[in-house]
Amino acid sequence: AQSVTQLDSQVPVFEEAPVELRCNYSSSVSVYLFWYVQYPNQGLQLLLKYLSGSTLVKGINGFEAEFNKSQTSFHLRKPSVHISDTAEYFCAVSLKGGYNKLIFGAGTRLAVHP
Amino acid sequence: NAGVTQTPKFRVLKTGQSMTLLCAQDMNHEYMYWYRQDPGMGLRLIHYSVGEGTTAKGEVPDGYNVSRLKKQNFLLGLESAAPSQTSVYFCASSSFNQPQHFGDGTRLSIL
Repeated sequence: AQSVTQLDSQVPVFEEAPVELRCNYSSSVSVYLFWYVQYPNQGLQLLLKYLSGSTLVKGINGFEAEFNKSQTSFHLRKPSVHISDTAEYFCAVSLKGGYNKLIFGAGTRLAVHP
Repeated sequence: NAGVTQTPKFRVLKTGQSMTLLCAQDMNHEYMYWYRQDPGMGLRLIHYSVGEGTTAKGEVPDGYNVSRLKKQNFLLGLESAAPSQTSVYFCASSSFNQPQHFGDGTRLSIL
């Protein structure tokens, strides 16, 4: 069975500081990896995805993530956050050939303070 | 573009009542999904469909039924609502090997 662990439930950070949101996964087969963002009272929006190829993936809004197969991690980073980045962030995996079904982590709430 | 549209956006039910949540997508996607979101648990898959007329169980299917009579619509039904089904429900759709697109959710409270 697959599982996703987001190591921090909440991450407070000051505006313009760098941030890293951590994600580890467990799977015995190959997976695709995703980060989604959820703003208050909205649905989920795709930030970035790793399907294959380069392990450094760039997404929208200045976010990037690095796939580390040996550590089974897919941490999300941004060098300088804005107030508008305050939201909940979800890491998710899907099995290759598994009808794109997603298994989500519990989420990390990023709070950016002025 | 509408994308994925969920109706209703909010609903309050009494225990034992039934209701249907509607999801419609206009992207001609083959796959559709229903998830529930609960605090501290992320999103969990209830049921999914890989094509018109097909449905399958996800991680937490008990107490729910689904139907996909038309490719663009995916209905989620609660036959006898229970307080444990109070949640935010999200519908999503995707095509082969593509990321899922999500609706804005339905907030459901069962009293």
